[in-house]
Amino acid sequence: NAGVTQTPKFQVLKTGQSMTLQCAQDMNHNSMYWYRQDPGMGLRLIYYSASEGTTDKGEVPNGYNVSRLNKREFSLRLESAAPSQTSVYFCASSGYPQAKNIQYFGAGTRLSVL
Amino acid sequence: AQTVTQSQPEMSVQEAETVTLSCTYDTSENNYYLFWYKQPPSRQMILVIRQEAYKQQNATENRFSVNFQKAAKSFSLKISDSQLGDTAMYFCAFDTGTASKLTFGTGTRLQVTL
Repeated sequence: NAGVTQTPKFQVLKTGQSMTLQCAQDMNHNSMYWYRQDPGMGLRLIYYSASEGTTDKGEVPNGYNVSRLNKREFSLRLESAAPSQTSVYFCASSGYPQAKNIQYFGAGTRLSVL
Repeated sequence: AQTVTQSQPEMSVQEAETVTLSCTYDTSENNYYLFWYKQPPSRQMILVIRQEAYKQQNATENRFSVNFQKAAKSFSLKISDSQLGDTAMYFCAFDTGTASKLTFGTGTRLQVTL
């Protein structure tokens, strides 16, 4: 099983450019999440989707949009990238049949905004 | 809002020894979940152990065990017989269970030495 797959693994953007980070899971989970990880900090929740067709803001949603395309896929879009969005981005999923509340993470996307 | 505090930014332990990582949290919830995640240099987030707050028995997973003190809001991780492969960042995380949104601490960097 691939688990949670994120693309791309690395990306460099110029200020003002846009891009979409892709995430797909093959575990048939209902819930999916996007986090960012900055140096010296833990992961912080950007957006989450409790089920297909729903999305909600997390702790740090400003500057981002998300789309829950279907049950498998949850994308994160930066419309106009800023240097403050330089970070490592993680996608995660959770749900049946795995144990309640356990989140499974992708390998991360390292994004640099110049 | 929930907060998670890891007061040890870095720790070091010799191979085969035992080490304990500290974590405290603040919440007004009565039912919740606590986790320890490991992040090796590969950046992958790996679940180490999970504790359900309503269970008094401390969780164990092979060489990893927790000391869960609900009244003190403390959740420490004990690693026995430390191995070089245990070298990683360790994050404590909290989940209220209603929407499975994780709140992370800032992490403890553990170095296992020969």
